[in-house]
Amino acid sequence: EVQLVESGGGVVQPGRSLRLSCTASGFSVGDYLMSWFRQAPGKGLEWVGFIRSEAYGGAIEYAASVKGRFTISRDDSKSIAFLQMNSLKTEDTAVYYCTREYDYWGQGALVTVSS
Amino acid sequence: DIQMTQSPSSLSASVGDRVTFTCQASQDIDTSLNWFQQQPGKAPKLLIFDASNLETGVPSRFSGSGSGTDFTFTISSLQPEDIATYYCQQYINLPLTFGGGTKVEI
Repeated sequence: EVQLVESGGGVVQPGRSLRLSCTASGFSVGDYLMSWFRQAPGKGLEWVGFIRSEAYGGAIEYAASVKGRFTISRDDSKSIAFLQMNSLKTEDTAVYYCTREYDYWGQGALVTVSS
Repeated sequence: DIQMTQSPSSLSASVGDRVTFTCQASQDIDTSLNWFQQQPGKAPKLLIFDASNLETGVPSRFSGSGSGTDFTFTISSLQPEDIATYYCQQYINLPLTFGGGTKVEI
């Protein structure tokens, strides 16, 4: 059974860092497009970035709002995808979802950036 | 960036009603459109891909149509469990972008 579980969310001060993990079961993260989306409280969905499958060279793309601050990576041996978030801003406060392609989503991890 | 505009932003209907709402792209996206359902407090769920293809396991009362810039989502007979916000999303160009959502209430 395909399952995605995010972890690592929490409360962090502006300017600090946080790393989210997305642990996959039922498939290998290297075989699929793995994406991160977020949803600010009471708002709509926003794409954060993705890492393409190994078959597509593992290329990584980011939304302009996070480029240069966030880094996506993965550990194929452990089937985990990561979202490293640096220089966090209050506007980064959101529930962060990892996805396999568009058909499987994790339960979400809440990140709150506040002093 | 491609802007996605959904209308209406919310609607109220009765159980058994046929419900339709739309999504308009700011430029031609062919059929590169997904529809997601997000129930309160839950992660989004893919219902329709490539504008009109029903995801496996999704009830047949859900359907999508359209191509280019204008798309329609239909629930043929609204059920209580369909209470949710529905989002369209284009994937022809980066950045991937979503519409603002249509909230369906009973």
